[in-house]
Amino acid sequence: ILNVEQSPQSLHVQEGDSTNFTCSFPSSNFYALHWYRWETAKSPEALFVMTLNGDEKKKGRISATLNTKEGYSYLYIKGSQPEDSATYLCASMDSSYKLIFGSGTRLLVRP
Amino acid sequence: DVKVTQSSRYLVKRTGEKVFLECVQDMDHENMFWYRQDPGLGLRLIYFSYDVKMKEKGDIPEGYSVSREKKERFSLILESASTNQTSMYLCASSLFLRGRNSGNTIYFGEGSWLTVV
Repeated sequence: ILNVEQSPQSLHVQEGDSTNFTCSFPSSNFYALHWYRWETAKSPEALFVMTLNGDEKKKGRISATLNTKEGYSYLYIKGSQPEDSATYLCASMDSSYKLIFGSGTRLLVRP
Repeated sequence: DVKVTQSSRYLVKRTGEKVFLECVQDMDHENMFWYRQDPGLGLRLIYFSYDVKMKEKGDIPEGYSVSREKKERFSLILESASTNQTSMYLCASSLFLRGRNSGNTIYFGEGSWLTVV
């Protein structure tokens, strides 16, 4: 079973602050790394799927990087807004094709 | 837009009852998944399916079974519900994932909250 870990567990920031979270995963047999954003009472929504070492992806104020050799990914949010408040999940896939999730980072952005 | 629909959002069942959680997707996806979400534990994979009538165990299959008679529908079955199965259940689907660089996004339903009393 993959062990995917996310830190911190929760984070409170002020509106306008930039922030980042970490996802660590086993680097052996790596196939893909997914980031999801999960707002309360809604479905998790895909942010990024990354597969190659050194990948960097961006969507508006949110970006992510991937290091498959050392087994980590960072998610960055620039200029956080209250609507960014959500739980951010990462998930890793290896050669078994199972997508294994971390327990998430809960972000609260105060106005 | 991809739509994954979980027909039952909130259920309360008694211990020992048989429970069916239904999931339907409308994008002709090959893969379908059932996860459960518990506080502090993240999403844990119960079962998944790559094709009709095909199923594979995830990490926590005990106490559950699944059925995939049609491509668009994946049902999670609790043969005899127990209180430790009180949880939030998420269904998901994706295009077929095979090989390295399988970058297909997974789409989730809105969840089914099950309470077993």
